[in-house]
Amino acid sequence: QITLKESGPTLVKPTQTLTLTCTFSGFSLSTSGVGVGWIRQPPGKALEWLALIYWDDDKRYSPSLKSRLTITKDTSKNQVVLTMTNMDPVDTATYYCAHRGLGKYFDYWGQGTLVTVSS
Amino acid sequence: QSALTQPASVSGSPGQSITISCTGTSSDVGGYNYVSWYQQHPGKAPKLMIYDVSNRPSGVSNRFSGSKSGNTASLTISGLQAEDEADYYCSSYTSSSTLVFGTGTKVTVL
Repeated sequence: QITLKESGPTLVKPTQTLTLTCTFSGFSLSTSGVGVGWIRQPPGKALEWLALIYWDDDKRYSPSLKSRLTITKDTSKNQVVLTMTNMDPVDTATYYCAHRGLGKYFDYWGQGTLVTVSS
Repeated sequence: QSALTQPASVSGSPGQSITISCTGTSSDVGGYNYVSWYQQHPGKAPKLMIYDVSNRPSGVSNRFSGSKSGNTASLTISGLQAEDEADYYCSSYTSSSTLVFGTGTKVTVL
């Protein structure tokens, strides 16, 4: 079965760079059409799509955050890494990674990891 | 890209039907049949309920159905049950080859 799990720091200081890792199993990111995305949700607020990386290394970013985001993959380790620069308290959120199969939707989600930005 | 617009809250009594709207533009909802819906219970990850406007993943109750007209997509829950009380989010593919989520709707079962 497909599972995903996010890992990374729970607390980062303003201006620092956040690095999150999504470790997955049950599928390969070298399979044609497959992608892994990142989505975040500030406490009590809505979901926000951040980035997506495809099996062929094509990458897509949220236009509003594009300058701060980088998404990469390590197919051999079954991992996807998201980095976000210049963190601010408004970036405090639960960050999810999710599997995108052949469709344009996320069918499997990780449990999420809460990242707090505070000095 | 702006978030898709959903009503903040919708409520209904057990057994009733409710409909949640999701309004976008011709660059997202109206331009593609790639609208999906997610259910999220408190403290839990979102769960896919509908994809490609009206398709249900295996295991999702047939009480959930989706449709689209122009720039507005809709999720209907029929035979409302207590377990349906949750937040619901729509999502759409966009002309920039990105995805966008809706503002979210809290469903309350009275």
